Amino acid sequence: AQRVTQPEKLLSVFKGAPVELKCNYSYSGSPELFWYVQYSRQRLQLLLRHISRESIKGFTADLNKGETSFHLKKPFAQEEDSAMYYCASNTGNQFYFGTGTSLTVIP
Amino acid sequence: GAVVSQHPSWVICKSGTSVKIECRSLDFQATTMFWYRQFPKQSLMLMATSNEGSKATYEQGVEKDKFLINHASLTLSTLTVTSAHPEDSSFYICSAPRDRRGSYGYTFGSGTRLTVV
Repeated sequence: AQRVTQPEKLLSVFKGAPVELKCNYSYSGSPELFWYVQYSRQRLQLLLRHISRESIKGFTADLNKGETSFHLKKPFAQEEDSAMYYCASNTGNQFYFGTGTSLTVIP
Repeated sequence: GAVVSQHPSWVICKSGTSVKIECRSLDFQATTMFWYRQFPKQSLMLMATSNEGSKATYEQGVEKDKFLINHASLTLSTLTVTSAHPEDSSFYICSAPRDRRGSYGYTFGSGTRLTVV
């Protein structure tokens, strides 16, 4: 079965420290991968798509087909990065969302 | 825990017909359900928020009469696309907070791919 796994439910880092939110997918083909973010009391927002290879708000994510991973990274975490982050994959017929990682950036 | 089951996974319908999409919370009570739509290469767009036992709240620009939402029980919310047209073809995804306030995040259905021909 196709799955998206985010192994960390909670992640805390200090401001200015690097942060990595892990995401692994299981799919034999080439899924389209996304990171979504939801700030407190706000709507779900698209953070980035692996196809566009953009860097948004300092975040990047590289698709590693060998490790079937799409980890989200930022070199220097900011307090405003505290939010819930969801990794998702679209295989063309279905969407799969991870369970989310709650990131807290400690001042 | 906190699983939302969404059906059907995909559906093809003729223009002018109606299609019902169901989202069931399997092991928790979903007092609130969010319905999203995703166009190709775009982000999820929130269409409406349904609350059990009350009318849904629709986002600006979403036609209430076209996208009928029912949330009659704590475990079932439905979205009916009425008089579907090809431009309604899209992915529709539901989501519910794992707890009443969403403090523990949200769980998502697997989506329904609607194709209107």
